This record gives sequence, C-alpha cells and structure tokens, in this order.
Amino acid sequence: AQKVTQAQTEISVVEKEDVTLDCVYETRDTTYYLFWYKQPPSGELVFLIRRNSFDEQNEISGRYSWNFQKSTSSFNFTITASQVVDSAVYFCALLNAGGTSYGKLTFGQGTILTVHP
Amino acid sequence: DAGITQSPRHKVTETGTPVTLRCHQTENHRYMYWYRQDPGHGLRLIHYSYGVKDTDKGEVSDGYSVSRSKTEDFLLTLESATSSQTSVYFCAINTLDRVTNYGYTFGSGTRLTVV
Repeated sequence: AQKVTQAQTEISVVEKEDVTLDCVYETRDTTYYLFWYKQPPSGELVFLIRRNSFDEQNEISGRYSWNFQKSTSSFNFTITASQVVDSAVYFCALLNAGGTSYGKLTFGQGTILTVHP
Repeated sequence: DAGITQSPRHKVTETGTPVTLRCHQTENHRYMYWYRQDPGHGLRLIHYSYGVKDTDKGEVSDGYSVSRSKTEDFLLTLESATSSQTSVYFCAINTLDRVTNYGYTFGSGTRLTVV
C-alpha cells in the first residue's frame, strides 16, 4: 500500500522568508508520479508540479523549487521569498503507474501555510 | 486543459435523504474518480471508474455508490445522507493516458452539508 506523509500540519512565516514543505512517501512500485497541489482559500486544487520516479532532477519555477530524493523517499517543496499570496493549503500526492493501480492518487494530509505581511 | 465540471457546487440536505453529485468531462478520458476532502485527512478516494460501467471502491466507499453509463458522466450517490458525509467532494480525471504536462485534473468541488 502507498502512503504520503506531510508532517507539518501548519506553518506560519513572515513575508520574504523562505519556507520548505516536507513530503515523504511510501510505495513498492518502481514507476510512480509525485505531485504538489496548492489549494487557495477559494477551494480549487491548483496543479504545481508532476515528477516521475525516473527523473530525480530538481526543478525550479520562479520562487518555487522541488527537491526529489528517491534515497530518502522525499519530495520537498521550497518557496523562496514567500508572499502573502502563497497562503494556502499544499498537498503532496503519489500516483502509482502500475497496470492495476488505475491511476489512483494518494494524498498527504496537507500543510496549511500562512504568510503574514 | 481538460474540461471537467461538477454540479451542484453547493448543497445542503437533510439526514436520510438521497443525494446525487454529477461530474462531467468534455474529453474522452477513461479514468474518473471521486474524492472527499476533510480536515486532517487530505483527499481520500471514494470510488473510481476505469470505463463505462466499470467502477470500483476506493478507501472510503461505505455509504456511497457510483454509476458511469457514458464516458463523460460519473455520478456519485449518497443513498441516505448522514452528517459524517458533510464534506467537500472533488471529481477528477486522469489524463496520464495521453502525453500531457498535467496528468490529473480536478473539478471545482462540491460542498455538501448534511443537517
């Protein structure tokens, strides 16, 4: 069975601080995808990134960066110079790509990020 | 983006009444899912479908049923709503069967309150 753990339930920072959201996953599959989603107060789920299990390159997109390490089963997300608009709930999720998985996503519990001005 | 709409967006219903939520997609994606979101639990899978009339249970399926009579529609039914089913429900489609940058698309959610 697969599992995703986001140990940080809530994080509070002041604007311009850097913040890292942790994500640890468990799976027996060798082929899988990892996702990060943002859920702003409006409630929709906003896709941020997808990474497959064969691609351990870190990625940077503007102020966002992701560190994928298979050795520690972690897929951490860093926001540099945080802004108030980054306040949201962030979800890490795992999708096993095996033939019988039917593409089901397993989510972490979510991390509530609050950025204060 | 794959078109996916959920209806209704909000609903208040009484305990014991049946409720049906609808998910509609405008593309022919094979896989569709219903999740519920509750504080402290993230999103949990209720039911999923891997084709017309092909459905299966997810992690939290008790009290729910689904139907998929055509590719574009996936219905979630609460046969007799209970207060524990007060939640936000998300429908999703899996676009990983195509080469896209996305992989997974969610509807806007349905906020259901059972009183």
